[in-house]
Amino acid sequence: ETGVTQTPRHLVMGMTNKKSLKCEQHLGHNAMYWYKQSAKKPLELMFVYSLEERVENNSVPSRFSPECPNSSHLFLHLHTLQPEDSALYLCASSQEKGAYTQYFGPGTRLTVL
Amino acid sequence: AQSVAQPEDQVNVAEGNPLTVKCTYSVSGNPYLFWYVQYPNRGLQFLLKYITGDNLVKGSYGFEAEFNKSQTSFHLKKPSALVSDSALYFCAVRDMKTGGFKTIFGAGTRLFVKA
Repeated sequence: ETGVTQTPRHLVMGMTNKKSLKCEQHLGHNAMYWYKQSAKKPLELMFVYSLEERVENNSVPSRFSPECPNSSHLFLHLHTLQPEDSALYLCASSQEKGAYTQYFGPGTRLTVL
Repeated sequence: AQSVAQPEDQVNVAEGNPLTVKCTYSVSGNPYLFWYVQYPNRGLQFLLKYITGDNLVKGSYGFEAEFNKSQTSFHLKKPSALVSDSALYFCAVRDMKTGGFKTIFGAGTRLFVKA
């Protein structure tokens, strides 16, 4: 698990705040992912980047804005969120697309007041 | 459409007994199937995967899974459960039809192992 790190681990923000989640992978992988995990719901894939290019945007509201400056770093910029956006946000990486295993970070627990 | 179903929200088993966590899938083409485990306040950890070959796949922590094509199932098993196996288990399938980046996860099954 130490191969993928996420900061902060916990975040509380108001609906008018702007904040960013950070993910870093030390595994030399080419693909990175953002997932949303809400209670009693399946993991929701939000975004996928491959070699710093976004290859999947799973109908995510524009108040979530991803950024991938290089293959090791992934950000999720948050702006004017809603209380229903409160969830655990998980970052993952994999060597490439296809049959490769994904490695997950510990997540950021986000609470929107 | 590709999908994964975990029919049980929760499985309870006594320590030392065998455990099974069920998963069925629906894919077009060859399935790439995974099991992940999530401990409290942690991210998901890879347990095992089936790509091709032997239908019985062995993974981490003594877990194994059996791929059954006719029943479209990929159940997770362990011969003797430990209290430390208590966690949330996710079955997943890789969606190769949309480029191979998308993994579809089941809703998860919470396993409780009682001492």
